[in-house]
Amino acid sequence: GAVVSQHPSWVICKSGTSVKIECRSLDFQATTMFWYRQFPKQSLMLMATSNEGSKATYEQGVEKDKFLINHASLTLSTLTVTSAHPEDSSFYICSARVTSGRQYNEQFFGPGTRLTVL
Amino acid sequence: QKEVEQNSGPLSVPEGAIASLNCTYSDRVSQSFFWYRQYSGKSPELIMSIYSNGDKEDGRFTAQLNKASQYVSLLIRDSQPSDSATYLCAELPTLNSMIKAAGNKLTFGGGTRVLVKP
Repeated sequence: GAVVSQHPSWVICKSGTSVKIECRSLDFQATTMFWYRQFPKQSLMLMATSNEGSKATYEQGVEKDKFLINHASLTLSTLTVTSAHPEDSSFYICSARVTSGRQYNEQFFGPGTRLTVL
Repeated sequence: QKEVEQNSGPLSVPEGAIASLNCTYSDRVSQSFFWYRQYSGKSPELIMSIYSNGDKEDGRFTAQLNKASQYVSLLIRDSQPSDSATYLCAELPTLNSMIKAAGNKLTFGGGTRVLVKP
């Protein structure tokens, strides 16, 4: 399948600081990427849809000023958690959808970033 | 509100047996369906995609889609302990009119936890 990478795989930060997570599609171009969050033993929750060259679309209840998304190229989207607090500690996973070829419409996930805010 | 329903399990299966997972969906015009496997603490991994009625086989996995009855299933043959994971069913609208109405995003079921016992 297509490959999506994320960096870092884990991060520990102090309360009040900002953390940036990168998501890259390694072998395909992704006009649309998705950011999810998952708390332990809970379902995936879509936070926002990231569109290359335009503003992200946030799901209801997700603060766009707190979770800044930038999709500056067809292979890179970033999520910045601003002024992080302990309740932001979670598993953040990005995903990208293939829009051409044999794997058209298939959506692949990155390995995730585990954020711990102290 | 579109819904994708799965039995949460756990589905306990002896090693070597067939694991049968079911998923029902509410949106009659849903077009594309996906099965993901998620190990504890890891991100989802795409196993199968299916778009047409009938069966689709890939190795030990077979996906079955019945649009008239609005269900999609996944069979895992010769189950192995390494198949123990949570399996997520997801659907995606693929017609432009549906994308405009529902957004271009996957709708996930809650997942079925599978335990394969040696």
